[in-house]
Amino acid sequence: DTAVSQTPKYLVTQMGNDKSIKCEQNLGHDTMYWYKQDSKKFLKIMFSYNNKELIINETVPNRFSPKSPDKAHLNLHINSLELGDSAVYFCASSQDATSGANVLTFGAGSRLTVL
Amino acid sequence: AQSVTQLDSHVSVSEGTPVLLRCNYSSSYSPSLFWYVQHPNKGLQLLLKYTSAATLVKGINGFEAEFKKSETSFHLTKPSAHMSDAAEYFCVVILTGGGNKLTFGTGTQLKVEL
Repeated sequence: DTAVSQTPKYLVTQMGNDKSIKCEQNLGHDTMYWYKQDSKKFLKIMFSYNNKELIINETVPNRFSPKSPDKAHLNLHINSLELGDSAVYFCASSQDATSGANVLTFGAGSRLTVL
Repeated sequence: AQSVTQLDSHVSVSEGTPVLLRCNYSSSYSPSLFWYVQHPNKGLQLLLKYTSAATLVKGINGFEAEFKKSETSFHLTKPSAHMSDAAEYFCVVILTGGGNKLTFGTGTQLKVEL
C-alpha cells in the first residue's frame, strides 16, 4: 500500500483556472506538509499541518489554500493559476512536528503545468 | 538561520568507482542532517540521517555520511557506484523549533557511466 498518495500525478491547465491536489497518508502520522519543487529542482516548504492545525505557513500567495479535513488528509487548492505556479508539488508526512529528527515520508509528486 | 550548501550541481562517476557528494551546513545549534535521494519522476526517499549520535552514519544502498563539526560538513559517500545510483541527491537540515521544517540544498545530480 502506498504510504503517502497524491492525486492527480499530472495536471495541465490554463492560466486563471482553479485546481486542487489531494494528499492522503495511511501511516497514522500527525503532521503533513506541502513542498514545491521548481524547474531547477529546488524544494521549498509551503505549508505544514499538525493534527489539522496549521503550523507552518511560508510566504506563499493567498491564491494557495491548504485544507486538512482530518489528520490523514492535506489538500492544496490553487486559485487563479499563473504560469509561475508550474512546478512539482510534493506532499509529505511525519510522525509529529516536535522532534527535529522526524523523518518525512514523501509522496510521488504532482506535476502541475500552467499554459 | 540554517542553510545547506551542496557544492556540486553535477557529479559524474564510472560504475564501480567511489562516490563523493559534498554538503556544508550552517547552523546556530547542533543540527539534524539528512540525505534524500530522488530518482527520475519519483518522490524523495530518505538515505540516512544524523541526529547527534554517531558521527559516521550508515544509510541504505551502501551509502554513508560523516558529520564533521569542525568542517561543518556532512558529505555523502559510497565505495562503489552502481548504475541504479543515478539520481538527484539532496542534503537537508532541520530548522530547530518551528515545526520540523526541512531546509533543502539545491541538489546534486549523480550520473553513473559504464
